[in-house]
Amino acid sequence: EDQVTQSPEALRLQEGESSSLNCSYTVSGLRGLFWYRQDPGKGPEFLFTLYSAGEEKEKERLKATLTKKESFLHITAPKPEDSATYLCAVYSSASKIIFGSGTRLSIRP
Amino acid sequence: DVKVTQSSRYLVKRTGEKVFLECVQDMDHENMFWYRQDPGLGLRLIYFSYDVKMKEKGDIPEGYSVSREKKERFSLILESASTNQTSMYLCASSLGGAQPQHFGDGTRLSIL
Repeated sequence: EDQVTQSPEALRLQEGESSSLNCSYTVSGLRGLFWYRQDPGKGPEFLFTLYSAGEEKEKERLKATLTKKESFLHITAPKPEDSATYLCAVYSSASKIIFGSGTRLSIRP
Repeated sequence: DVKVTQSSRYLVKRTGEKVFLECVQDMDHENMFWYRQDPGLGLRLIYFSYDVKMKEKGDIPEGYSVSREKKERFSLILESASTNQTSMYLCASSLGGAQPQHFGDGTRLSIL
């Protein structure tokens, strides 16, 4: 069964303390992996698409990487405004999109 | 930038009412989606549409229907609202294939 698992469920960091969020997947064939940011009471905001193992994308303090089994969202020197829930989603060869349950990230000043 | 607009941010209705949630996108996207999001359950797909007048059931279609009369507009209908349909409803659109979905800001619906 296709599955997307994100870890940890919640992460609290000090401002400037770098870390990584994990998205592991088991799907019938990966056609694309997406990262989103969601602020409380708002819809998910698209961040990155990754299509093949070894691919990397960067935006400000965020960097997404992809292997054949998982993706990481690396956050370098985070600021309080990076606090949000980060969602991962996978588009499979069965033309189905599967969302993970998200990681709630909190950055303390 | 893609803009997906949902007609209401907050909505309060009574059980048994017929409820309409509207969504409009301005990027000529082929595909549109309706999700609900509940704490601990994540995003669950209710219905989606690949073309005008076309609809497909998602994972939890029971109690819902949809309408897509124009390419840019996708409506979610709760035929007879029940308290277990209290939730955050999110609309999304995409170009199709392995292209990302773009979301609206959601409608927080309360059924009393």
